[in-house]
Amino acid sequence: DADVTQTPRNRITKTGKRIMLECSQTKGHDRMYWYRQDPGLGLRLIYYSFDVKDINKGEISDGYSVSRQAQAKFSLSLESAIPNQTALYFCATSDRHTDTQYFGPGTRLTVL
Amino acid sequence: AQSVAQPEDQVNVAEGNPLTVKCTYSVSGNPYLFWYVQYPNRGLQFLLKYITGDNLVKGSYGFEAEFNKSQTSFHLKKPSALVSDSALYFCAVISSGSARQLTFGSGTQLTVLP
Repeated sequence: DADVTQTPRNRITKTGKRIMLECSQTKGHDRMYWYRQDPGLGLRLIYYSFDVKDINKGEISDGYSVSRQAQAKFSLSLESAIPNQTALYFCATSDRHTDTQYFGPGTRLTVL
Repeated sequence: AQSVAQPEDQVNVAEGNPLTVKCTYSVSGNPYLFWYVQYPNRGLQFLLKYITGDNLVKGSYGFEAEFNKSQTSFHLKKPSALVSDSALYFCAVISSGSARQLTFGSGTQLTVLP
C-alpha cells in the first residue's frame, strides 16, 4: 500500500550496530504497528501504538524499542543488533473504528 | 489467549479448479477474522474480513471466506483459481475482548499450476 512507506527497504549490518527502521503513513490513521516475519512463523507483533502518547509492547519486544514521533511516523530501533534479528520487518496502520490493518512494503534486515 | 492455525504450509491447485485455504482459530469472545495475501517482495494486502452477520464474506479478486462458528473455522475459497493467485496467504484474528491485537497464522503458500 503506497500510503504506508518504510525506509530503508533493505539493510545489511553487523552485530552490535544500532539500527533504525522508519515508517510513515498518509492514511491519517492513529494506530501503528511493527511486526517481524520469519519463514514458517507468520507475523509476530513487536510494538504497537494507538496514539502518539500510547506505546505498548507486543509479543516479541525484547531487543527492540520504538518512537512515535508524530501521528504519521513510527520508528523501530535495534539498539545492538544480533544475527537472530535477521528478518523481514513490516509496519502497519489502522483506524480506531476498524481493525483492518494496512501494511507497508517491508524492510529486509540482515545482521551479520 | 488467541491463536490461529493454518494446517497446510503448501497448497497446489490446477488453474481453473476451485481452491480452499484452511484456517481455524481460538479466541475468547467473538472473533473478528481476516485474510491477507502477500505477493513476492511485497507487503501484506487485505483481502476480506468477517465481523458479524452473513457467514459468507466476499472480498477482493473473487475470493470469499466462510465463517463456521461451531468448527471455529474461516476457510478462504475461490471458485476458479488463476496462476496470478499464487502467493502466500495469512489468516488473522482479533478477539472482541482483546486489546485489538491481530494474531496471524503461519501462512499457506498457494501455487496455481498452469
